[in-house]
This record gives sequence, structure tokens and C-alpha cells, in this order.
Amino acid sequence: DAGVTQSPTHLIKTRGQHVTLRCSPISGHKSVSWYQQVLGQGPQFIFQYYEKEERGRGNFPDRFSARQFPNYSSELNVNALLLGDSALYLCASSPTSGSLSDTQYFGPGTRLTVL
Amino acid sequence: DQQVKQNSPSLSVQEGRISILNCDYTNSMFDYFLWYKKYPAEGPTFLISISSIKDKNEDGRFTVFLNKSAKHLSLHIVPSQPGDSAVYFCAARSGYSSASKIIFGSGTRLSIRP
Repeated sequence: DAGVTQSPTHLIKTRGQHVTLRCSPISGHKSVSWYQQVLGQGPQFIFQYYEKEERGRGNFPDRFSARQFPNYSSELNVNALLLGDSALYLCASSPTSGSLSDTQYFGPGTRLTVL
Repeated sequence: DQQVKQNSPSLSVQEGRISILNCDYTNSMFDYFLWYKKYPAEGPTFLISISSIKDKNEDGRFTVFLNKSAKHLSLHIVPSQPGDSAVYFCAARSGYSSASKIIFGSGTRLSIRP
């Protein structure tokens, strides 16, 4: 069984650049959520997509955007990178949207470093 | 404003003894609580959860206790094993949100010593 996969695993960018992170959910899962984990803190919710529609958005600036494709994979885009965007970006998939008992399964993350 | 708080950044427990990880929350709208475990270079892995209508949920060596009046939950691991060494995140969800948004605490690093 393939779990949640993310690419790339590591990425180094400079301030002002743009980055695209990719996520493939577990087969059969229709919901993808993105989280940012800064060193020493817990993951912080950025977006959730379900059936290609945005279902939730966290407290992040408009430089952050995402989309979900017909095969339920997802991309997270960050424009005009800042040093503070350096973090581990986690993708999580779940079968449905909004069900309290739905377990979210996390990928290994993409480590983004902004210089 | 941190809605889920884990006030102990680290905890060291002897192998075979009980590990108790604590978590406090401030938002009374939370009605589902979860614990995740994270190893280095891996994503968080779901461990155990509890609905707000319960005060205890048990799964093997892991038990989560919920005290709604105190807005406090704890995870008990008995007996602790070397493979339990990891960062543990307490997390919460609200049924009033249409999204699967999970609010995480800052984590507690558990070390199991021989």
C-alpha cells in the first residue's frame, strides 16, 4: 500500500523566488490538507481541498495558494518567498472531508530552506 | 494564540515504566482530540483519538484521558518501550468546521532510557 507521497524531499530557494510542492494522496482518498511545521512547533494548517474545491484555509498570506487535480493529487504554491517560509511542509490525505473521525495520514514532508 | 498547549517540551522515562504526556486546550468548541507520533524525517503518524463525549479511550499500551471541565487531556503509555522514543503531538478538531483542520500543540519529545 502506497502512503502519501510528497516531492521534492528537500528544496533550497532564495528570497523572492517561487516554489511548487507536490503531494499524491493515498489511493481512494479525496481530501488533501497542507500544513507548515516550523522548527520547534507543531504543524500549522494551511489549506484543505476536497473534490478539487477549497474547504478550509488557515491564517496564511495570499502568497500561499494550492489546487487539487482530478486525480486528487495536489500542489502547494508559495510566491515571493521569505526567510520565514523555511519549514517542513506536510501533506495529509483522508477519505472524506470534515468527518471528525476521519484519520489524516501524513506524508514525509518537503523540507524547504529559503536563503 | 495557542489553542492547544503542550507545556513540557521533553520527557525522559525509564523503559518499562509509565509515560504520561499532558496537553491543555483553550477552545471549548473542540470536540475531537488526537495524538500523533513523529519520528525524524517522517510525517506524523496517528496514534489514538478520543471524542468529547468520552473520558477515556484505550488501544493496547496507549490510553488517552479527557477531562473536559479542566480542558485537559493526557496520553499514558504503559509499559514504555525504546521504540516509543519520538515527538508526540496533541491535536484537536472542531465539528463546527467544514474542513478537516487539525490544531496541533508544539509537541513533547519523549525519550525512553534503558
